[in-house]
Amino acid sequence: DAGVTQSPTHLIKTRGQQVTLRCSPKSGHDTVSWYQQALGQGPQFIFQYYEEEERQRGNFPDRFSGHQFPNYSSELNVNALLLGDSALYLCASIRRAGSYNSPLHFGNGTRLTVT
Amino acid sequence: DQQVKQNSPSLSVQEGRISILNCDYTNSMFDYFLWYKKYPAEGPTFLISISSIKDKNEDGRFTVFLNKSAKHLSLHIVPSQPGDSAVYFCAASLPYSGAGSYQLTFGKGTKLSVIP
Repeated sequence: DAGVTQSPTHLIKTRGQQVTLRCSPKSGHDTVSWYQQALGQGPQFIFQYYEEEERQRGNFPDRFSGHQFPNYSSELNVNALLLGDSALYLCASIRRAGSYNSPLHFGNGTRLTVT
Repeated sequence: DQQVKQNSPSLSVQEGRISILNCDYTNSMFDYFLWYKKYPAEGPTFLISISSIKDKNEDGRFTVFLNKSAKHLSLHIVPSQPGDSAVYFCAASLPYSGAGSYQLTFGKGTKLSVIP
């Protein structure tokens, strides 16, 4: 039973560039969330996708956008990268039908470094 | 304004003894609380959770206690083992309000070191 998988594991980009991160949810899960974890901080909610729509968004600028595909996989796009975007980006998934009082399952993350 | 706070950045405990990790929250609307464990280079792994209608939940060596009046929860690990050494995150969620509404608010984490 495959868990949440993310790619790539590491990425180095230059300020001003754009980046796309990818996520495949755990088997049987249809809802995908993205979190940003800066050094020394806890994960912060970016947004959540269900039925290919952004359903809820945290306090992140429009430079952060996403997409969910019919197979439930998801992408996180960040435009006009800033040094402060350097962080671990975590994808998490859950099955909507059983999501009440259930834990999110996280992938191992993509480590993004902006230079 | 941090709604979930873990005030101890680190904790060291001898193997075999009890580890107690603490977490405070400010939003009284939170109704579901979770603990995640994170090893370096891995994502957070779910450990144990508790609903606001309970005050205690046990799973093997792990017990979570919830004190709603104090807006405080704690994770007890007994006995502590060297493999428990990791960063522990406390997280909370608001009541479910429909598809795609589920988000977790995390604390900054406590690094637990279990000394053999």
